[in-house]
Amino acid sequence: AQKITQTQPGMFVQEKEAVTLDCTYDTSDQSYGLFWYKQPSSGEMIFLIYQGSYDEQNATEGRYSLNFQKARKSANLVISASQLGDSAMYFCAMRDPGPYGDSNYQLIWGAGTKLIIKP
Amino acid sequence: DAGITQSPRHKVTETGTPVTLRCHQTENHRYMYWYRQDPGHGLRLIHYSYGVKDTDKGEVSDGYSVSRSKTEDFLLTLESATSSQTSVYFCAISDGSPEETQYFGPGTRLLVL
Repeated sequence: AQKITQTQPGMFVQEKEAVTLDCTYDTSDQSYGLFWYKQPSSGEMIFLIYQGSYDEQNATEGRYSLNFQKARKSANLVISASQLGDSAMYFCAMRDPGPYGDSNYQLIWGAGTKLIIKP
Repeated sequence: DAGITQSPRHKVTETGTPVTLRCHQTENHRYMYWYRQDPGHGLRLIHYSYGVKDTDKGEVSDGYSVSRSKTEDFLLTLESATSSQTSVYFCAISDGSPEETQYFGPGTRLLVL
């Protein structure tokens, strides 16, 4: 069964520094997708970035990049030049095809990392 | 931003009463989902829909039912609310594209007393 592990419950980072949020995953599937979402204190869940298992390049979206190390089964989120507005919970998630192999079945989630940016 | 709304946004109810949460999308996406978020658990799937009148159970479906009579609306019903169903409920949609990214509504905070 798929599993996502985020080992950092919380992190403090100085503004303008880069930050890496860890995510490791476990799956026996050859084809899979990994996602990062941001949840600010207001509560909404915001999609940040996606990495497919067959993508050879690490995904990037503005200040966000995903450090994808397939052999190590890790998909760390890197935020460059952190800003105060980056303070939030960050969740790593993976597609789970469920009992019938439907890739649109669900996402399974890590427990999240609470990131606080210090001015 | 994906056009997803949830109603109500906040609700307080009593144990044993029925509750219906509504998710409405304007994106014409095929897939819709209901998740619940509880401290220490991330999000967990309650039910999902892969088309009008096509729904299936997720891993925490006990005590919940859903209906989808139109593409744009996905209803979640707690037949008889219990305190263990106090949670934040998120609706999500996906268009089934290769990335199959799920986009989330703003959430509904439900308190069952």
